[in-house]
Amino acid sequence: DTAVSQTPKYLVTQMGNDKSIKCEQNLGHDTMYWYKQDSKKFLKIMFSYNNKELIINETVPNRFSPKSPDKAHLNLHINSLELGDSAVYFCASSQGQDNSPLHFGNGTRLTVT
Amino acid sequence: AQSVTQPDIHITVSEGASLELRCNYSYGATPYLFWYVQSPGQGLQLLLKYFSGDTLVQGIKGFEAEFKRSQSSFNLRKPSVHWSDAAEYFCAMDTGRRALTFGSGTRLQVQP
Repeated sequence: DTAVSQTPKYLVTQMGNDKSIKCEQNLGHDTMYWYKQDSKKFLKIMFSYNNKELIINETVPNRFSPKSPDKAHLNLHINSLELGDSAVYFCASSQGQDNSPLHFGNGTRLTVT
Repeated sequence: AQSVTQPDIHITVSEGASLELRCNYSYGATPYLFWYVQSPGQGLQLLLKYFSGDTLVQGIKGFEAEFKRSQSSFNLRKPSVHWSDAAEYFCAMDTGRRALTFGSGTRLQVQP
């Protein structure tokens, strides 16, 4: 029944590694997002996709590459992980209209050592 | 610059007491406004939203928020807080980019 699910929930890895976080939504939404929540709980958008097309890329380093194989999935691949990438990453989806609320996944806590 | 400000980082209230969490936005027009709640280890859940019309909006779990254009504010209120309301609360706005700009959050603690 989970509306927006992301895996894994926790991810611990070393600097320099490459990792992926997967996200799937079963709400039939057209738009999906990745948000980053830092250690001070501040949430900032990274990317948004509408029907598999990149809409927003918010000055994220190109080590981060989102991939949307279909409109129900938006995965996040991170190359050459750095200590500063440690954060909680949230996937979200919406109907894609201006006033559509976002539905969030439960987050992936990434720790880079 | 477009921004959302939540002036209170941390608020503690007694169970049964009333609550008001402050939110101010900076934008040249009226944005779409939202309040979300985040429980520990969880994602964000929508409490309520304002688009237009009645400036007092009702949400889930007994929360309400009032939009005041003159003050660029969208404060969240609850008349009687329950222990289960302890969480992090985020105010957010959408200016038509189809992406939310969040405030920094207010952590609510509820004392028995």
